[in-house]
Amino acid sequence: DAKTTQPNSMESNEEEPVHLPCNHSTISGTDYIHWYRQLPSQGPEYVIHGLTSNVNNRMASLAIAEDRKSSTLILHRATLRDAAVYYCILRSAGGTSYGKLTFGQGTILTVHP
Amino acid sequence: NAGVTQTPKFRVLKTGQSMTLLCAQDMNHEYMYWYRQDPGMGLRLIHYSVGEGTTAKGEVPDGYNVSRLKKQNFLLGLESAAPSQTSVYFCASSRDRVNPGELFFGEGSRLTVL
Repeated sequence: DAKTTQPNSMESNEEEPVHLPCNHSTISGTDYIHWYRQLPSQGPEYVIHGLTSNVNNRMASLAIAEDRKSSTLILHRATLRDAAVYYCILRSAGGTSYGKLTFGQGTILTVHP
Repeated sequence: NAGVTQTPKFRVLKTGQSMTLLCAQDMNHEYMYWYRQDPGMGLRLIHYSVGEGTTAKGEVPDGYNVSRLKKQNFLLGLESAAPSQTSVYFCASSRDRVNPGELFFGEGSRLTVL
């Protein structure tokens, strides 16, 4: 499975934008880029996913590099509720992987009031 | 709409005891998964199922068995619990793999093996 690399931790102030980077230099053509987050004592929660084009939803934006070897999750205005561990995951749509998610360590995001 | 429901939420076992974790989803999803999460680590896939009556091994299947007799339920069994199986267990489901959208996770089941 292709792997992702994320910073261990990042900090932000409330109501400021946050850019969470992810490197995935071995990504294949059938890999979707997924982002999940996990709040304390909860199960992971889907944030956003994309393949090639930038994506926006009510929670965040996903900017994907043209060569797809890196991506950035953008939280436009961080709130205290956004403090969580953010996972960048590659999910294959092909082969025998059956869409499994392989989680790494993720980025711990701390949001200061 | 309950989504993904796990029972029990907490359980303490003695070494060698057996137990079953139940995962139920009401979204008519084909795919279901069991993950475990140890302190300070990401989730690791134990077993998964691509449809009723099918199961397959994930990254860390040893010591666990699963069954998917009904589409909406995915059971995780520990036949002889060991302290190394102390963990938080998460069940998840998804629609299909052709269009790999989001996984829906349960709230977790915290298992302690003494």
